[in-house]
Amino acid sequence: AQKITQTQPGMFVQEKEAVTLDCTYDTSDQSYGLFWYKQPSSGEMIFLIYQGSYDEQNATEGRYSLNFQKARKSANLVISASQLGDSAMYFCAMTKYYTGANSKLTFGKGITLSVRP
Amino acid sequence: EPEVTQTPSHQVTQMGQEVILRCVPISNHLYFYWYRQILGQKVEFLVSFYNNEISEKSEIFDDQFSVERPDGSNFTLKIRSTKLEDSAMYFCASSENMQETQYFGPGTRLLVL
Repeated sequence: AQKITQTQPGMFVQEKEAVTLDCTYDTSDQSYGLFWYKQPSSGEMIFLIYQGSYDEQNATEGRYSLNFQKARKSANLVISASQLGDSAMYFCAMTKYYTGANSKLTFGKGITLSVRP
Repeated sequence: EPEVTQTPSHQVTQMGQEVILRCVPISNHLYFYWYRQILGQKVEFLVSFYNNEISEKSEIFDDQFSVERPDGSNFTLKIRSTKLEDSAMYFCASSENMQETQYFGPGTRLLVL
């Protein structure tokens, strides 16, 4: 079974600074994907970034980058130049890839990020 | 940009009633999912659907729940005989292929009284 662990308490960051949100995972599968989603107070789930287990390079999407350390089973999200609109709950999620089945997502419990002006 | 839509955004129902939550996945997506998030808790997988069949379901998805794709655009989750503990945010998601990113709708907030 897969497991995602997000243990940081509420995180605070000053506007324009960078912040790292931690995520560790546990799986015995070799082929899997890691995702980060943002959930603002309005409730929707917004996809941010994806990393495949076989990807050699760390994923980047604009101000978001994923620090993928496969041996340590960690997939931390780095947000650079924080903005007030980044204040939200952030979820790390993973899926395993295997033939002939949909890839359901397993989520961590999330981290609350607050950006201070 | 194409997006997943869900209706209604909020639903209040009496315990024991049936509710139908509706979703319109992104038009070229073939894989559909329902998840739920009880207030303050993590997002949980309910069911996945492909080619007009359930692909996988969680232990939460018991006989009380059913899914259907009644036409070429809608994907519905029916909850029969709702219970208080069914109160949650229900998310629909879709992906183009099995291993592609799942895009979520805005959710339906269900409150069972």
